[in-house]
Amino acid sequence: GEDVEQSLFLSVREGDSSVINCTYTDSSSTYLYWYKQEPGAGLQLLTYIFSNMDMKQDQRLTVLLNKKDKHLSLRIADTQTGDSAIYFCAEKEGRRALTFGSGTRLQVQP
Amino acid sequence: SQTIHQWPATLVQPVGSPLSLECTVEGTSNPNLYWYRQAAGRGLQLLFYSIGIDQISSEVPQNLSASRPQDRQFILSSKKLLLSDSGFYLCAWSRRSGTDTQYFGPGTRLTVL
Repeated sequence: GEDVEQSLFLSVREGDSSVINCTYTDSSSTYLYWYKQEPGAGLQLLTYIFSNMDMKQDQRLTVLLNKKDKHLSLRIADTQTGDSAIYFCAEKEGRRALTFGSGTRLQVQP
Repeated sequence: SQTIHQWPATLVQPVGSPLSLECTVEGTSNPNLYWYRQAAGRGLQLLFYSIGIDQISSEVPQNLSASRPQDRQFILSSKKLLLSDSGFYLCAWSRRSGTDTQYFGPGTRLTVL
């Protein structure tokens, strides 16, 4: 079966880099995603990466994929207080719906 | 551009009462549609997904049901709510092909008392 795991909590200081990690078990995953959820809101797509890529960068966001270890990470450079939220990773394999991790709560301290 | 709406935004219902949550999508046709529940402080649980009108798959057994009376309308229902049905309900849509990226609505906060 498929399983996506994330650490529950991460605290960083404003201006530092944040790295949120995710592991998955399905080696045939085709796409992997990062979503952001602010309090009381729906999920906002941040970025996604195709499984044949190692890295994807979009402004302050860098996604790294280690397919051998089934490890996905999201790096946020120069973290701001507005980045405080819950971050979900998700994977897609074939025709299945996305499988989400349990989310990592990022707390940015001023 | 595409938008997704959920109604109502918040709802407080007594145990045993019925439920109807609505989700509508604009700006696209033939979307895949999804219902998720998020319990307090926890991840997302996929409840139902639909690839077309009257084509709905249930992911977990429960007292909830889903219907898709129109191409871009997805309804989550219950005949009798339980306390454990409390949570944040999220609707999402995706295109039929491509990356299958899911786009989420703003959610409905349901409290069952």
